[in-house]
Amino acid sequence: EAGVVQSPRYKIIEKKQPVAFWCNPISGHNTLYWYRQNLGQGPELLIRYENEEAVDDSQLPKDRFSAERLKGVDSTLKIQPAELGDSAVYLCASSSLAGSYNEQFFGPGTRLTVL
Amino acid sequence: DQQVKQNSPSLSVQEGRISILNCDYTNSMFDYFLWYKKYPAEGPTFLISISSIKDKNEDGRFTVFLNKSAKHLSLHIVPSQPGDSAVYFCAASVTQGAQKLVFGQGTRLTINP
Repeated sequence: EAGVVQSPRYKIIEKKQPVAFWCNPISGHNTLYWYRQNLGQGPELLIRYENEEAVDDSQLPKDRFSAERLKGVDSTLKIQPAELGDSAVYLCASSSLAGSYNEQFFGPGTRLTVL
Repeated sequence: DQQVKQNSPSLSVQEGRISILNCDYTNSMFDYFLWYKKYPAEGPTFLISISSIKDKNEDGRFTVFLNKSAKHLSLHIVPSQPGDSAVYFCAASVTQGAQKLVFGQGTRLTINP
């Protein structure tokens, strides 16, 4: 079974440029998460989807960040414009059932460097 | 406000000995706790979990202990092996609202041969 796929793995951009990250969750997983992990810190949830619906986006900086999961499968996270402080690893995770303690499976992440 | 804290950024243990990783939390609503392990350039992978109705959960070489009164949990690895060298994250969740994990900062464990 394929794991959570993320691309690109690395991205270097100039500040004020846009950037997008893509995630394909494990087949059949209806819950998808985007996390941001700053250097030396644990992952912090940005947004959680149940199928196509964003059910928790309270931590998403909506002035510059946006996300979509149009068909309830893969998802894109966008930053526009990027700032220096956005440099971090962006992790995508998925799980199979909402409302229960099912394991979250993480992708390898996208390491973003903003210059 | 750091609700889940791992106060030791790093830990070095000799192969074959016991590794003990600690985690403290402040939110008394947390009732489910997990440990994740992360290798470089990979995403975190689930290791072991414990519900607040228990005080111990064991899986092979890994045991998690929960002390609710102290708001403290620990992960014991015995015996430690070189492949256990990784960053370990403690995470906590509240039953209602489902699936929102709050992570600690992580502890880098190094197992020395």
